[in-house]
Amino acid sequence: GENVEQHPSTLSVQEGDSAVIKCTYSDSASNYFPWYKQELGKRPQLIIDIRSNVGEKKDQRIAVTLNKTAKHFSLHITETQPEDSAVYFCACNHNFGNEKLTFGTGTRLTIIP
Amino acid sequence: DADVTQTPRNRITKTGKRIMLECSQTKGHDRMYWYRQDPGLGLRLIYYSFDVKDINKGEISDGYSVSRQAQAKFSLSLESAIPNQTALYFCATSDQGLPQHFGDGTRLSIL
Repeated sequence: GENVEQHPSTLSVQEGDSAVIKCTYSDSASNYFPWYKQELGKRPQLIIDIRSNVGEKKDQRIAVTLNKTAKHFSLHITETQPEDSAVYFCACNHNFGNEKLTFGTGTRLTIIP
Repeated sequence: DADVTQTPRNRITKTGKRIMLECSQTKGHDRMYWYRQDPGLGLRLIYYSFDVKDINKGEISDGYSVSRQAQAKFSLSLESAIPNQTALYFCATSDQGLPQHFGDGTRLSIL
């Protein structure tokens, strides 16, 4: 089955700096890569996603890049703010559709004021 | 987002008891999922259902069963609960080609 590795497991950055979280996957047929943000005690919420026919996608301060050859994708958060502090999960689908996801183990991001 | 509702939100029970966690949705999605979240392990898929007549095992289905009573309802059962099933459980829904949306979770403690 699909295997997703996520690094780092914890990340602290100064407010205003950028944060980068990286995930690698094993199944070259995967074609959908969402990122979820989970605040303490809350549900995971989708913040951005990318499909395999696109190399990069941006939404304000958040961007995701995909390298299909190397089988990795990354979340970039620029101009970080205290409310960005949360646990972030990457995921990717299995090769028969977009719906069945395998999740990474999460990155706890702390923004230092 | 109250579109995916999980009950109960918290439950404490004893080893050997049968437990049912319920999930209902008003999003009209066909696909529903049950995940388990443990610290450091992320979200792991227990069972999923692509429509009312379809039930599939995920990566950690042992010790669990599910029932899809209707398009909008998907229940997870622990037939005989054991302490290592203590975790946070999430239900999620999606439609074909669309992202998954999660409920607020059920925190389950088994003593």
